[in-house]
Amino acid sequence: AAGVIQSPRHLIKEKRETATLKCYPIPRHDTVYWYQQGPGQDPQFLISFYEKMQSDKGSIPDRFSAQQFSDYHSELNMSSLELGDSALYFCASREQGKAYEQYFGPGTRLTVT
Amino acid sequence: KNEVEQSPQNLTAQEGEFITINCSYSVGISALHWLQQHPGGGIVSLFMLSSGKKKHGRLIATINIQEKHSSLHITASHPRDSAVYICAVRSRGGKDKLIFGTGTRLQVFP
Repeated sequence: AAGVIQSPRHLIKEKRETATLKCYPIPRHDTVYWYQQGPGQDPQFLISFYEKMQSDKGSIPDRFSAQQFSDYHSELNMSSLELGDSALYFCASREQGKAYEQYFGPGTRLTVT
Repeated sequence: KNEVEQSPQNLTAQEGEFITINCSYSVGISALHWLQQHPGGGIVSLFMLSSGKKKHGRLIATINIQEKHSSLHITASHPRDSAVYICAVRSRGGKDKLIFGTGTRLQVFP
């Protein structure tokens, strides 16, 4: 069965650079969630999208932006990267109205040096 | 105080032992997830519960909505079960996002 795809799986950037993380949800899933998990920390919700519109916003820094495209894939854009942005970034997808279950992608590990 | 708390934080077991991980939450929820995360790895969804009990192989998850408590049980534990187990809830008033517990790190020794 198709799963959530994230790319790249690993990314190394320097401070003050920009990064773009991509998430491809399971086919027919119209809702995407982004989570950030710092080293040794719980995942924290960043932002979510339903039908290409932002549906909820968590602790996402102003330096980050995200959007969902017409094919339902989502991109998380991160600018002016800081060392503290080093984390595992997960996306999850869900089909609204079908079930509450979120399906997680494998994550993108971002390292900022 | 975290909205979702797990116990124990760390757990070691010998292969074959029965394991229980507990999750308590303080918010009204519409669903509770049990997730598994291997070191450096992605998150795998094990169960999603809104009531009662679910079983999948050697894993059993239960939830008591009135007591705001859930348990994850692993029967006949195996070293490959070693991972971090995370409880996450979908709060009733919090739209869709999940609130994560702090995780329980399980190590099963042969």
